Amino acid sequence: SQTIHQWPATLVQPVGSPLSLECTVEGTSNPNLYWYRQAAGRGLQLLFYSVGIGQISSEVPQNLSASRPQDRQFILSSKKLLLSDSGFYLCAWEPQGTDTQYFGPGTRLTVL
Amino acid sequence: GENVEQHPSTLSVQEGDSAVIKCTYSDSASNYFPWYKQELGKGPQLIIDIRSNVGEKKDQRIAVTLNKTAKHFSLHITETQPEDSAVYFCAASGSNYQLIWGAGTKLIIKP
Repeated sequence: SQTIHQWPATLVQPVGSPLSLECTVEGTSNPNLYWYRQAAGRGLQLLFYSVGIGQISSEVPQNLSASRPQDRQFILSSKKLLLSDSGFYLCAWEPQGTDTQYFGPGTRLTVL
Repeated sequence: GENVEQHPSTLSVQEGDSAVIKCTYSDSASNYFPWYKQELGKGPQLIIDIRSNVGEKKDQRIAVTLNKTAKHFSLHITETQPEDSAVYFCAASGSNYQLIWGAGTKLIIKP
């Protein structure tokens, strides 16, 4: 069966520090991958998606970036965190051609 | 642009009663409509979905109905239980491999 992992589960970082969040999927190949951010008590904001290795599409301009170095690995990065980057970051995967997304457990990021 | 409106934002029902959450979408090309349940501090979990060639789908106490002409779909939960308390999100398939999300409904089950 397929599983999705995200780490770390929680992270507290100072303003201006770098960020690296990792997402990996097991038990499938060539999935579509997604990064979302969710502010407290709010909905889901799509940040990036990828339909293949090295293929990244960005939905909102920001100081975040994403990379997909391997088929089942998706990384969210920042060179310098802002206070507004705080939130709950969710990775999701989708079997290609199905539209059905499955979410990971999320990473709670607090920028102080 | 593509949009999904979800109502109500908060729904409080007595345990054992039914709950209905409604969504309206704007893109007539949408053909896939999932519903997710998100418990506090966790990632959303797919609970039921429907494709445009079907009008209704049931899974035990949960059902989804779709009206393509009116461009709306609804989640029905019968015999609600305390563990149904959560935030529920609807979504509709959009362009560029994306889902268009509703804003969410906080469902509160009163004992």
